[in-house]
Amino acid sequence: AQSVAQPEDQVNVAEGNPLTVKCTYSVSGNPYLFWYVQYPNRGLQFLLKYITGDNLVKGSYGFEAEFNKSQTSFHLKKPSALVSDSALYFCAVRDSTGANNLFFGTGTRLTVIP
Amino acid sequence: DGGITQSPKYLFRKEGQNVTLSCEQNLNHDAMYWYRQDPGQGLRLIYYSQIVNDFQKGDIAEGYSVSREKKESFPLTVTSAQKNPTAFYLCASSKSRQGYGYTFGSGTRLTVV
Repeated sequence: AQSVAQPEDQVNVAEGNPLTVKCTYSVSGNPYLFWYVQYPNRGLQFLLKYITGDNLVKGSYGFEAEFNKSQTSFHLKKPSALVSDSALYFCAVRDSTGANNLFFGTGTRLTVIP
Repeated sequence: DGGITQSPKYLFRKEGQNVTLSCEQNLNHDAMYWYRQDPGQGLRLIYYSQIVNDFQKGDIAEGYSVSREKKESFPLTVTSAQKNPTAFYLCASSKSRQGYGYTFGSGTRLTVV
């Protein structure tokens, strides 16, 4: 079975501070991991993905994520948060063993406080 | 530019009415998906299709129907059997090969009046 957990419904961070949005996963084979961002009344936008290779993945808008196989985690990070980063963030996983569908977490609402 | 288009952006439905949400993509993606998003909740899969003329139920298919007559199009009909249809509906598409994520449309907000 495949699943994704985002343990925090809400994350608040001050502008200029580093931010972390947490994600853990469970898959049968090797994971393909994704982060998406959603602004109000919009669809989800792709931020970054991990397929293979370097555990630190860099994506759009200065975001990065670190793949940790031993902890089955894929936390999203940014060194310095902007107010415009305030949005809903979704982690997703795709199993390499055959299932083609993405499994999404429940989302984490990030609020950056000016 | 390639992309995925959902229409209309806002839709109002009267009680007992069927309505159809449009989803079109020109990305040459094989797979297409419909999700429902309620306030404060994540994405719930309604239906998906991996190839033309074939589709499968997701987690919350009751009260919905779909068709996949063309690769580019995957319309969703919200029937009168769906008792609580007010929600934000998202369509997505993807290549079927492993390692690809989804491309999402901008969504349709359906409200029952």
